[in-house]
Amino acid sequence: EPEVTQTPSHQVTQMGQEVILRCVPISNHLYFYWYRQILGQKVEFLVSFYNNEISEKSEIFDDQFSVERPDGSNFTLKIRSTKLEDSAMYFCASSERGPQHFGDGTRLSIL
Amino acid sequence: AQRVTQPEKLLSVFKGAPVELKCNYSYSGSPELFWYVQYSRQRLQLLLRHISRESIKGFTADLNKGETSFHLKKPFAQEEDSAMYYCALRSYSGGGADGLTFGKGTHLIIQP
Repeated sequence: EPEVTQTPSHQVTQMGQEVILRCVPISNHLYFYWYRQILGQKVEFLVSFYNNEISEKSEIFDDQFSVERPDGSNFTLKIRSTKLEDSAMYFCASSERGPQHFGDGTRLSIL
Repeated sequence: AQRVTQPEKLLSVFKGAPVELKCNYSYSGSPELFWYVQYSRQRLQLLLRHISRESIKGFTADLNKGETSFHLKKPFAQEEDSAMYYCALRSYSGGGADGLTFGKGTHLIIQP
């Protein structure tokens, strides 16, 4: 069964540094999403992406965040200048139009 | 604003007993409701969606618009059902781009 894949599984970064989280969505899917889960809290929606542009974004997705689909397969989340509070699990998901399929997540630790 | 409430952080039942994981929502429009499950060290997986009205692994969930609930039920729990369960909501009419709003999750433990 096709899966969403995310790399790396764990990223450790110094505060203030830029970080890029990578995702390969399921190949025939058209909609792509990023979520995050701070330890002990709920999974929170960040952004959705369709037809090469952002469709919807939450209040969390401020100017420090950006998303890109640089080629036909990858979907990336960039955090420009990381803060301690960006430490979380980041999940990528994709869908055709129906249910969203999630990756394993990237654990981002900001030191 | 839409909100999903899962009142139980932890639910522990014995094997063979019935299970009900509660989910209530608030949403002004027409919602689409989902249950996702996360087994230990695995990814979030879709368990059920209300429009499918199907039973997966013995679990069922009925959308009750009057009570704004989407409780997950199973008549006889099995040890392999132990996992985190998340209820999630999105706009039914929003197309594919809408993000999901998740509850905080319920950790279900099935005791032997």
